Amino acid sequence: NAGVTQTPKFQVLKTGQSMTLQCAQDMNHNSMYWYRQDPGMGLRLIYYSASEGTTDKGEVPNGYNVSRLNKREFSLRLESAAPSQTSVYFCASSEIGQISGANVLTFGAGSRLTVL
Amino acid sequence: GQQLNQSPQSMFIQEGEDVSMNCTSSSIFNTWLWYKQDPGEGPVLLIALYKAGELTSNGRLTAQFGITRKDSFLNISASIPSDVGIYFCAGRSTSGTYKYIFGTGTRLKVLA
Repeated sequence: NAGVTQTPKFQVLKTGQSMTLQCAQDMNHNSMYWYRQDPGMGLRLIYYSASEGTTDKGEVPNGYNVSRLNKREFSLRLESAAPSQTSVYFCASSEIGQISGANVLTFGAGSRLTVL
Repeated sequence: GQQLNQSPQSMFIQEGEDVSMNCTSSSIFNTWLWYKQDPGEGPVLLIALYKAGELTSNGRLTAQFGITRKDSFLNISASIPSDVGIYFCAGRSTSGTYKYIFGTGTRLKVLA
């Protein structure tokens, strides 16, 4: 019963390098999300995927790309990392619908990224 | 864009005291969620609220969906040391579909 699994847990990059954060969920959820968390800023939505085959920009999409590989997996790519992208990244998933108990976000443990 | 104000930013309390925190939105929400985050971990859901006026409990935690649909409150009764952490509210707008907005968090420290 893994829930939402993120890899890697920690990564250090140099400015200009690229990398992909991986996320997989085993709850058969339709929707998946990428958030970043910075001190004093709460969680800000980068991109989300309402369902397999669709992706949309969130609050802070610049500098990122995403791929919804299949229903289980949603990856976040930094093409040319910048120090401003130093943050903790969280992947989340949710079901959709109007039934009480649905729509809640289940989070992974996070990926801590440092860009030097 | 939408704003979600959470207060207080931090609290130091004595073990056994009750705690209250709240979130206020600039727009109407149809869902409020409350999460707790321990150091080095992802947020974990505490309580979900779906109707204006709804009052829901989870052990020593009680949360309410405000009547105006623009605010929500979380109370923790008889705090214990393991209540330490950051508490986040999150809301989903009636005009949005799948996007939740998060508050900036309340950092709780419990003094034994």
